[in-house]
Amino acid sequence: EIVMTQSPVTLSVSPGERATLSCRASQSVGSNLAWFQHKPGQAPRLLMYGASTRATGVPARFSGSGSGTVFTLTISSLQSDDFAVYYCQQYSIWYTFGQGTKLEIK
Amino acid sequence: QLQLQESGPGLVRPSETLSLTCTVTGDSISSGAFYWAWIRQPPVKGLEWIGTVFYSGSSYYNPSLKSRVTISVDTSKNHFSLKLTSVTAADTAVYYCARFSGSIHNFDFWGQGILVTVSS
Repeated sequence: EIVMTQSPVTLSVSPGERATLSCRASQSVGSNLAWFQHKPGQAPRLLMYGASTRATGVPARFSGSGSGTVFTLTISSLQSDDFAVYYCQQYSIWYTFGQGTKLEIK
Repeated sequence: QLQLQESGPGLVRPSETLSLTCTVTGDSISSGAFYWAWIRQPPVKGLEWIGTVFYSGSSYYNPSLKSRVTISVDTSKNHFSLKLTSVTAADTAVYYCARFSGSIHNFDFWGQGILVTVSS
């Protein structure tokens, strides 16, 4: 099983600032990497797939990068609606998710 | 507007079978345009893919759960179902159903989830 490790566990950032979330795979997944946003009591939302392609309706302030084993999700100029838990997920071999990064207001 | 709604018992006894249904509105399972999936999240843990089914009944399961899982589809009712046998406390989780898009190889729409607790 491919293990996904996210860092940090919690990230405190002020509105308007940039947030950078990291995800590492235990073996290469190529560009088969997605990011999800999850707010309490809501359905998870697909943000990014193919490591860097935004899903339908996702604002341009969200960007993804990386390939192989190291990936990054960047949110420029954080808005209040962006504070949530973010999960990375590989789909190279079946589907496994990271443990999540909680993005909280500083 | 697409909606996925999970339903089923919120409490299951250990060793029994967990059964959930996901009702799809705003899309037709039998169109064959998408696959349909179950994903769960145990308390204070990450997400875990359980399995995926096509309208034809073809299914794919997480190897770690394969021996206990069956996902089936009922196109006449436009819903798909999950059965997980011999449950233990480790199966306590929020269970989500989701739509899988082959064009992007991922789960592009999810239900709100249903909490299932395994306890005597």
